[in-house]
Amino acid sequence: KQEVTQIPAALSVPEGENLVLNCSFTDSAIYNLQWFRQDPGKGLTSLLLIQSSQREQTSGRLNASLDKSSGRSTLYIAASQPGDSATYLCAVIVGGGADGLTFGKGTHLIIQP
Amino acid sequence: AAGVIQSPRHLIKEKRETATLKCYPISRHDTVYWYQQGPGQDPQFLISFYEKMQSDKGSIPDRFSAQQFSDYHSELNMSSLELGDSALYFCASSFGPRYEQYFGPGTRLTVT
Repeated sequence: KQEVTQIPAALSVPEGENLVLNCSFTDSAIYNLQWFRQDPGKGLTSLLLIQSSQREQTSGRLNASLDKSSGRSTLYIAASQPGDSATYLCAVIVGGGADGLTFGKGTHLIIQP
Repeated sequence: AAGVIQSPRHLIKEKRETATLKCYPISRHDTVYWYQQGPGQDPQFLISFYEKMQSDKGSIPDRFSAQQFSDYHSELNMSSLELGDSALYFCASSFGPRYEQYFGPGTRLTVT
């Protein structure tokens, strides 16, 4: 059974810092990996999707990398802002068909003004 | 473009009652997924549909059923509700299986 782990569980940093969130998964046979952002009591906003054949994806200040063989992904946030404060979730899909995502428990991020 | 629409946004039911949640996917998306997120938990996959056929099943209780209609909207039917069913229920859609999933705002179900 696929398990997804995110480290750290919580992170608090001053505004302007660059930071890295980590995600690991036990079954390297993933089809793709998706990073989400969730604000308290709200829905999930898709940030980046990396397909298994890709090494990284970039969107604005966000960069996500994927090392499928070692079962790891990182989300790099550059020049953090207070508006980046949220929970960041990593999720993977294994196999074919309309498989559901398996989520990690998230990293709760606070950016101090 | 409009995102995934879910209705109702909030629902309060009593134990043993039934509830129906609706999901309208993004235009031209033919794949719909349902997830349940309990308080302080990560989302758990329940069930998915591709081209109106059930595609994958996760941890969906037997008391729950779902279907996808000809216009691609989907409904999640929940019967004999229990206190533990209180959660946020998300619907997501994608343009085909294994593509990027876009989530709706969720339906908050409270069972009293």
